[in-house]
Amino acid sequence: GPKVLQIPSHQIIDMGQMVTLNCDPVSNHLYFYWYKQILGQQMEFLVNFYNGKVMEKSKLFKDQFSVERPDGSYFTLKIQPTALEDSAVYFCASSFAGSDTEVFFGKGTRLTVV
Amino acid sequence: QQQVRQSPQSLTVWEGETAILNCSYEDSTFNYFPWYQQFPGEGPALLISIRSVSDKKEDGRFTIFFNKREKKLSLHITDSQPGDSATYFCAASGNTNTGKLTFGDGTVLTVKP
Repeated sequence: GPKVLQIPSHQIIDMGQMVTLNCDPVSNHLYFYWYKQILGQQMEFLVNFYNGKVMEKSKLFKDQFSVERPDGSYFTLKIQPTALEDSAVYFCASSFAGSDTEVFFGKGTRLTVV
Repeated sequence: QQQVRQSPQSLTVWEGETAILNCSYEDSTFNYFPWYQQFPGEGPALLISIRSVSDKKEDGRFTIFFNKREKKLSLHITDSQPGDSATYFCAASGNTNTGKLTFGDGTVLTVKP
């Protein structure tokens, strides 16, 4: 089936440094998302992105976070600067439409901030 | 206030039994409810979904029962198999057309052989 690829699978970074998480969404999808999961528990919505713009973001999407998809390449989540509480698994997802449609998730990037 | 709640937090059944996972929601504008299955180290994968115009959706051994009046739904897994052992997330979305999903906390299902 369709695959969302995330690179890297695991990243360790010093607190205060910048990190960029990369996502290669399903090729014909138009909507892109980032979710945050801590300790295998609740998946929490961070942000969604459509037509080159952020459509909606949650309170977890701090000012230090940003997303972009330059020229239809990787969909990225940048955190600058990182904080200890940013340690989590970040899942990228994509869908073809914005409602009533299957959302496909990647395997996640485990971010550890030390 | 948590918008989507799941119970139980964990559930253990024997192989061949029916596992029942429960979900409730607060937002009456939610109209699409997918269930996702997640194995350790993997991302969530869509298992089965239902729209609020239906009260039941069946796909093989998996059935969703939906009660709009009570804002409750349940996932029934019949003839449970050890390979069904995973975390199951109930999710919901509404009329926002943004694709945003609101997830419950998940139920960890263990099927013993």
